[in-house]
Amino acid sequence: GENVEQHPSTLSVQEGDSAVIKCTYSDSASNYFPWYKQELGKRPQLIIDIRSNVGEKKDQRIAVTLNKTAKHFSLHITETQPEDSAVYFCAASLSNQFYFGTGTSLTVIP
Amino acid sequence: ETGVTQTPRHLVMGMTNKKSLKCEQHLGHNAMYWYKQSAKKPLELMFVYNFKEQTENNSVPSRFSPECPNSSHLFLHLHTLQPEDSALYLCASSQGGSNEQFFGPGTRLTVL
Repeated sequence: GENVEQHPSTLSVQEGDSAVIKCTYSDSASNYFPWYKQELGKRPQLIIDIRSNVGEKKDQRIAVTLNKTAKHFSLHITETQPEDSAVYFCAASLSNQFYFGTGTSLTVIP
Repeated sequence: ETGVTQTPRHLVMGMTNKKSLKCEQHLGHNAMYWYKQSAKKPLELMFVYNFKEQTENNSVPSRFSPECPNSSHLFLHLHTLQPEDSALYLCASSQGGSNEQFFGPGTRLTVL
Protein backbone atom coordinates (compact mmCIF):
# COMPACT_ATOMS: atom_id res chain seq x y z
CA GLY A 1 0.00 0.00 0.00
CA GLU A 2 0.85 3.68 -0.03
CA ASN A 3 3.40 5.10 2.41
CA VAL A 4 3.57 8.84 3.06
CA GLU A 5 6.50 10.38 4.91
CA GLN A 6 6.48 13.96 6.11
CA HIS A 7 9.34 16.18 7.29
CA PRO A 8 10.13 17.96 9.47
CA SER A 9 8.00 16.93 12.44
CA THR A 10 8.47 20.35 14.06
CA LEU A 11 9.35 23.69 12.52
CA SER A 12 9.87 27.11 14.09
CA VAL A 13 10.19 30.25 11.99
CA GLN A 14 10.28 33.96 12.66
CA GLU A 15 7.23 35.93 11.66
CA GLY A 16 7.60 37.05 8.06
CA ASP A 17 9.92 34.21 7.08
CA SER A 18 8.97 31.32 4.82
CA ALA A 19 8.16 27.76 5.90
CA VAL A 20 8.55 24.63 3.78
CA ILE A 21 7.16 21.18 4.61
CA LYS A 22 8.00 18.18 2.47
CA CYS A 23 6.25 14.87 1.85
CA THR A 24 7.15 11.79 -0.14
CA TYR A 25 4.86 9.02 -1.28
CA SER A 26 5.46 5.53 -2.60
CA ASP A 27 2.55 4.66 -4.90
CA SER A 28 2.94 6.30 -8.31
CA ALA A 29 -0.80 5.73 -8.93
CA SER A 30 -1.78 8.30 -6.27
CA ASN A 31 -3.32 11.25 -8.05
CA TYR A 32 -4.59 13.70 -5.43
CA PHE A 33 -2.48 15.45 -2.79
CA PRO A 34 -4.25 17.63 -0.21
CA TRP A 35 -2.74 19.61 2.65
CA TYR A 36 -4.68 20.09 5.87
CA LYS A 37 -4.17 22.51 8.74
CA GLN A 38 -5.24 21.50 12.23
CA GLU A 39 -5.22 24.05 15.01
CA LEU A 40 -5.12 22.86 18.58
CA GLY A 41 -8.45 21.31 19.58
CA LYS A 42 -9.98 21.89 16.16
CA ARG A 43 -10.77 19.77 13.13
CA PRO A 44 -8.43 19.46 10.13
CA GLN A 45 -9.25 21.91 7.34
CA LEU A 46 -8.06 21.83 3.76
CA ILE A 47 -5.74 24.69 2.88
CA ILE A 48 -4.62 23.67 -0.60
CA ASP A 49 -4.57 20.61 -2.83
CA ILE A 50 -3.01 19.52 -6.10
CA ARG A 51 -3.74 16.83 -8.64
CA SER A 52 -1.19 14.71 -10.44
CA ASN A 53 -1.64 16.52 -13.77
CA VAL A 54 -0.44 19.80 -12.26
CA GLY A 55 3.06 20.69 -11.11
CA GLU A 56 2.37 23.73 -8.97
CA LYS A 57 -0.56 25.56 -7.43
CA LYS A 58 -0.66 28.81 -5.51
CA ASP A 59 -3.24 30.51 -3.33
CA GLN A 60 -2.08 33.83 -1.89
CA ARG A 61 0.71 33.03 0.63
CA ILE A 62 0.40 29.27 0.22
CA ALA A 63 1.78 27.16 -2.61
CA VAL A 64 2.20 23.46 -3.29
CA THR A 65 4.61 21.84 -5.73
CA LEU A 66 4.48 18.27 -7.00
CA ASN A 67 7.28 16.24 -8.56
CA LYS A 68 5.69 13.05 -9.87
CA THR A 69 8.96 11.56 -11.03
CA ALA A 70 10.56 11.86 -7.62
CA LYS A 71 7.22 11.23 -5.87
CA HIS A 72 7.41 14.16 -3.56
CA PHE A 73 5.36 17.26 -2.92
CA SER A 74 5.93 20.30 -0.76
CA LEU A 75 3.95 23.02 1.00
CA HIS A 76 5.36 26.53 0.94
CA ILE A 77 4.05 29.29 3.21
CA THR A 78 5.47 32.75 2.64
CA GLU A 79 5.32 35.81 4.91
CA THR A 80 4.33 33.63 7.85
CA GLN A 81 2.05 35.05 10.54
CA PRO A 82 1.41 33.88 14.12
CA GLU A 83 -2.00 32.56 13.05
CA ASP A 84 -0.21 30.11 10.75
CA SER A 85 0.92 28.23 13.86
CA ALA A 86 -0.74 24.80 13.71
CA VAL A 87 -0.12 21.18 12.73
CA TYR A 88 -0.01 20.60 8.98
CA PHE A 89 -0.76 17.23 7.38
CA CYS A 90 -0.06 16.09 3.87
CA ALA A 91 -1.92 13.21 2.24
CA ALA A 92 -1.81 11.12 -0.89
CA SER A 93 -5.02 9.74 -2.34
CA LEU A 94 -6.22 7.35 -5.00
CA SER A 95 -9.96 6.89 -5.41
CA ASN A 96 -11.41 6.49 -1.88
CA GLN A 97 -8.13 5.82 -0.12
CA PHE A 98 -6.31 8.56 1.78
CA TYR A 99 -2.89 8.13 3.38
CA PHE A 100 -1.71 10.88 5.69
CA GLY A 101 1.72 11.96 6.83
CA THR A 102 2.56 12.19 10.53
CA GLY A 103 2.17 15.96 10.63
CA THR A 104 4.40 19.00 11.08
CA SER A 105 3.94 21.26 14.06
CA LEU A 106 4.66 24.79 12.82
CA THR A 107 5.33 27.59 15.28
CA VAL A 108 5.59 31.15 14.01
CA ILE A 109 7.48 33.32 16.49
CA PRO A 110 6.26 36.95 16.65
CA GLU B 1 -26.23 23.14 11.90
CA THR B 2 -24.01 23.24 8.84
CA GLY B 3 -21.06 21.14 7.72
CA VAL B 4 -20.22 17.89 9.47
CA THR B 5 -21.35 17.26 13.03
CA GLN B 6 -20.40 14.51 15.46
CA THR B 7 -21.86 13.35 18.75
CA PRO B 8 -20.89 12.85 21.44
CA ARG B 9 -17.86 15.14 21.59
CA HIS B 10 -16.39 13.23 24.51
CA LEU B 11 -16.93 9.63 25.60
CA VAL B 12 -15.49 7.58 28.42
CA MET B 13 -16.27 3.89 28.40
CA GLY B 14 -15.21 0.68 30.05
CA MET B 15 -13.88 -2.24 28.08
CA THR B 16 -17.14 -4.14 28.39
CA ASN B 17 -19.44 -1.29 27.33
CA LYS B 18 -21.24 -0.86 24.04
CA LYS B 19 -21.50 2.66 22.66
CA SER B 20 -22.04 4.35 19.31
CA LEU B 21 -20.57 7.43 17.67
CA LYS B 22 -22.75 9.43 15.32
CA CYS B 23 -21.82 11.59 12.36
CA GLU B 24 -24.09 13.72 10.19
CA GLN B 25 -23.18 15.77 7.14
CA HIS B 26 -25.31 18.61 5.81
CA LEU B 27 -23.31 19.14 2.61
CA GLY B 28 -25.07 16.79 0.21
CA HIS B 29 -21.95 14.67 -0.18
CA ASN B 30 -22.03 11.05 -1.29
CA ALA B 31 -18.94 9.72 0.51
CA MET B 32 -18.33 9.47 4.25
CA TYR B 33 -15.26 8.35 6.20
CA TRP B 34 -14.18 7.33 9.69
CA TYR B 35 -10.64 8.19 10.83
CA LYS B 36 -8.71 7.47 14.01
CA GLN B 37 -6.28 10.16 15.21
CA SER B 38 -3.77 9.16 17.87
CA ALA B 39 -0.94 11.25 19.24
CA LYS B 40 2.29 11.08 17.22
CA LYS B 41 0.63 8.98 14.51
CA PRO B 42 -0.79 9.84 11.11
CA LEU B 43 -4.52 10.01 10.60
CA GLU B 44 -5.65 6.43 10.00
CA LEU B 45 -8.49 5.83 7.57
CA MET B 46 -10.78 3.16 9.02
CA PHE B 47 -13.87 2.94 6.81
CA VAL B 48 -15.22 4.51 3.64
CA TYR B 49 -18.80 4.61 2.40
CA ASN B 50 -19.92 5.68 -1.07
CA PHE B 51 -23.64 6.10 -1.63
CA LYS B 52 -24.26 4.15 1.61
CA GLU B 53 -22.14 1.22 0.45
CA GLN B 54 -18.95 0.35 2.28
CA THR B 55 -16.08 0.47 -0.18
CA GLU B 56 -13.06 0.33 2.12
CA ASN B 57 -12.29 -1.41 5.40
CA ASN B 58 -8.68 -0.89 6.27
CA SER B 59 -8.07 -3.95 8.42
CA VAL B 60 -10.01 -2.55 11.33
CA PRO B 61 -10.72 -4.92 14.26
CA SER B 62 -14.26 -6.25 14.43
CA ARG B 63 -14.86 -4.46 17.74
CA PHE B 64 -15.46 -1.41 15.51
CA SER B 65 -18.61 -1.79 13.42
CA PRO B 66 -19.72 0.94 11.00
CA GLU B 67 -23.23 1.63 9.80
CA CYS B 68 -24.39 3.99 7.08
CA PRO B 69 -28.20 4.11 6.84
CA ASN B 70 -28.16 6.92 4.25
CA SER B 71 -25.71 9.29 2.59
CA SER B 72 -26.05 11.85 5.38
CA HIS B 73 -25.52 9.68 8.44
CA LEU B 74 -22.69 7.47 9.59
CA PHE B 75 -22.33 5.53 12.82
CA LEU B 76 -19.46 3.74 14.48
CA HIS B 77 -20.58 1.07 16.93
CA LEU B 78 -18.06 0.23 19.63
CA HIS B 79 -17.94 -3.04 21.58
CA THR B 80 -15.37 -4.49 24.00
CA LEU B 81 -12.75 -1.88 23.19
CA GLN B 82 -9.20 -1.85 24.50
CA PRO B 83 -7.36 1.01 26.22
CA GLU B 84 -5.21 1.44 23.08
CA ASP B 85 -8.38 2.36 21.20
CA SER B 86 -8.45 5.65 23.10
CA ALA B 87 -8.09 8.37 20.47
CA LEU B 88 -9.88 11.14 18.61
CA TYR B 89 -12.31 9.67 16.10
CA LEU B 90 -12.98 11.94 13.16
CA CYS B 91 -15.73 11.70 10.60
CA ALA B 92 -15.37 13.30 7.17
CA SER B 93 -17.40 13.63 3.99
CA SER B 94 -16.63 14.47 0.38
CA GLN B 95 -18.28 14.61 -3.00
CA GLY B 96 -16.82 11.52 -4.61
CA GLY B 97 -13.37 10.11 -3.92
CA SER B 98 -10.09 12.02 -4.19
CA ASN B 99 -11.77 15.34 -3.48
CA GLU B 100 -11.71 17.76 -0.58
CA GLN B 101 -12.79 16.13 2.65
CA PHE B 102 -14.71 18.09 5.25
CA PHE B 103 -14.06 16.91 8.78
CA GLY B 104 -16.30 16.89 11.81
CA PRO B 105 -15.06 18.12 15.20
CA GLY B 106 -14.32 14.58 16.36
CA THR B 107 -15.22 12.43 19.36
CA ARG B 108 -12.54 12.17 22.05
CA LEU B 109 -12.80 8.55 23.22
CA THR B 110 -11.23 7.25 26.39
CA VAL B 111 -11.36 3.53 27.14
CA LEU B 112 -10.72 2.63 30.76
